[in-house]
Amino acid sequence: DTAVSQTPKYLVTQMGNDKSIKCEQNLGHDTMYWYKQDSKKFLKIMFSYNNKELIINETVPNRFSPKSPDKAHLNLHINSLELGDSAVYFCASSQVGNTEAFFGQGTRLTVV
Amino acid sequence: SQQGEEDPQALSIQEGENATMNCSYKTSINNLQWYRQNSGRGLVHLILIRSNEREKHSGRLRVTLDTSKKSSSLLITASRAADTASYFCATDDQAGTALIFGKGTTLSVSS
Repeated sequence: DTAVSQTPKYLVTQMGNDKSIKCEQNLGHDTMYWYKQDSKKFLKIMFSYNNKELIINETVPNRFSPKSPDKAHLNLHINSLELGDSAVYFCASSQVGNTEAFFGQGTRLTVV
Repeated sequence: SQQGEEDPQALSIQEGENATMNCSYKTSINNLQWYRQNSGRGLVHLILIRSNEREKHSGRLRVTLDTSKKSSSLLITASRAADTASYFCATDDQAGTALIFGKGTTLSVSS
């Protein structure tokens, strides 16, 4: 069983569209994250959710919104997509008190 | 903001050689971690070293931490082609709520 799974793996869409990326973890972790990796492989934390509460929110545009229906899921919604949103988005999870993170395989988003 | 900076950005070696990657960070930390990312894949946790530890081993990996210099190094001994990947150091953000990653070192091991 995949510990952290995210779908889709690839997403190609036009500017202005709205899209979602789903993430699920079966590790029983308390905290889930979204990271953005740019073309230079730089990883930036976007959001962190702990027990369904947003605990950090980096300076990302409000077009990005995380949605957590339950502790095992943290989905990422993106409105009005822009060319600069093209990147690989990673979902991750960890247990409170143990910051070792488990990552999904990533979603490569291409905005055309 | 970015916390860790890896050095070198890229490293090419032959199989059997040792590979050393360095990481520097800016603020005080609780622990420092190293991750590996194979091409097109997610990150995989390799090793965690706590701020009160100076050295840690895991198989062919050896990590050192010098909190006075705010630096860490990852040594991979007897490298293999399968070690080809990007390696990232990561530290807690100041609130301890997320990992902040460095820019990574891309390691290429040729046979």
